[in-house]
Amino acid sequence: QKEVEQDPGPLSVPEGAIVSLNCTYSNSAFQYFMWYRQYSRKGPELLMYTYSSGNKEDGRFTAQVDKSSKYISLFIRDSQPSDSATYLCAMSALDAGGTSYGKLTFGQGTILTVHP
Amino acid sequence: GAVVSQHPSWVICKSGTSVKIECRSLDFQATTMFWYRQFPKQSLMLMATSNEGSKATYEQGVEKDKFLINHASLTLSTLTVTSAHPEDSSFYICSATTNRDSPLHFGNGTRLTVT
Repeated sequence: QKEVEQDPGPLSVPEGAIVSLNCTYSNSAFQYFMWYRQYSRKGPELLMYTYSSGNKEDGRFTAQVDKSSKYISLFIRDSQPSDSATYLCAMSALDAGGTSYGKLTFGQGTILTVHP
Repeated sequence: GAVVSQHPSWVICKSGTSVKIECRSLDFQATTMFWYRQFPKQSLMLMATSNEGSKATYEQGVEKDKFLINHASLTLSTLTVTSAHPEDSSFYICSATTNRDSPLHFGNGTRLTVT
């Protein structure tokens, strides 16, 4: 069983739709949760990060963490064609060196296409 | 925000040769940088942690003699793929953070093709 599971999709939605992306994890040591967006042939771009359970909102994006269920989500409101990309969830634990976000474990990525 | 620059963005080399990839933090100092690898249609996998002024820490299954990492300054880490083979063809991405309480920022990656 992989430590982080993410539905690879692909996911295709019309412009303006609400998109829900999800990851589950099995390692209870994970404390830090991130969402990255990756366009083709580019490095991942940080979208959201959070430490605690609950919701965090930034513009059209809302990140949700439920540590008791080991489940995280990213919601995209009013989706745009420019949101078409691969979305990666990532997690990390506090390591021996005291680095919080250092060693990331990624989900497989969800390919999202928003069509006009 | 923190900017991580990677060079080259793509490289093609012949089997048996070595290739060096540079990773620079442009507007901050990074005592630690991380090297990831991504195969087509797969997610990122951590290869090694690069520590300024000391030896890199490699993940299980990553050959340290094949993937040489040097972190000579607070803004530069290099990854050298030695004696490259076609199976080393991949997307190599470096990352860094401003401090332990901030998330990683990634470079734009280097696409390596070994013929």
